[in-house]
Amino acid sequence: DADVTQTPRNRITKTGKRIMLECSQTKGHDRMYWYRQDPGLGLRLIYYSFDVKDINKGEISDGYSVSRQAQAKFSLSLESAIPNQTALYFCATSDLGPYNEQFFGPGTRLTVL
Amino acid sequence: AQKVTQAQTEISVVEKEDVTLDCVYETRDTTYYLFWYKQPPSGELVFLIRRNSFDEQNEISGRYSWNFQKSTSSFNFTITASQVVDSAVYFCALSEASMDSSYKLIFGSGTRLLVRP
Repeated sequence: DADVTQTPRNRITKTGKRIMLECSQTKGHDRMYWYRQDPGLGLRLIYYSFDVKDINKGEISDGYSVSRQAQAKFSLSLESAIPNQTALYFCATSDLGPYNEQFFGPGTRLTVL
Repeated sequence: AQKVTQAQTEISVVEKEDVTLDCVYETRDTTYYLFWYKQPPSGELVFLIRRNSFDEQNEISGRYSWNFQKSTSSFNFTITASQVVDSAVYFCALSEASMDSSYKLIFGSGTRLLVRP
């Protein structure tokens, strides 16, 4: 089984709809991250969490919210989706420290019509 | 401010050619970490290598090698005798031991490598 899983893997929704992307991990890491990937822009950080009680905004948090339900679960919500939120979304986890690589989920491809 | 630049948007080579992917970074920290990730057509991100700012030794792993030069703020990645399976988007990333201890990864925009048979 994969260490970091994301659901759904693909989602098409309409402008104005609320949508939640879920991430679960079995690596036992405290740190979890949400990124979005757009063509030509690489990955940009949306939110990150050090533990259940710690949530931090990343580079592009506007229009998004997150919930850390447990050490293993970190959800990303779009309260009112808009077309420019169409992107590939990745969840990642890492152990403590800047030297530790991040482990990524398989990604969720979101299309907002 | 920290920044990672991958100036090569797309590279196309014929199988068995050697290819180098460039990565230039900017940081004010003296302690930092550099990473390379591979994103094959299937979409997942695969960790390839990590290098810390105090270790300028080059690294070789099979057909892959990495050249870290602090003097030019570069961390270039070379694939020797490329194969079709190397076709992917490659990302360079930087992590700092920042004051807020966020250890965020700053990604470059990626280089798409196409290896033609």
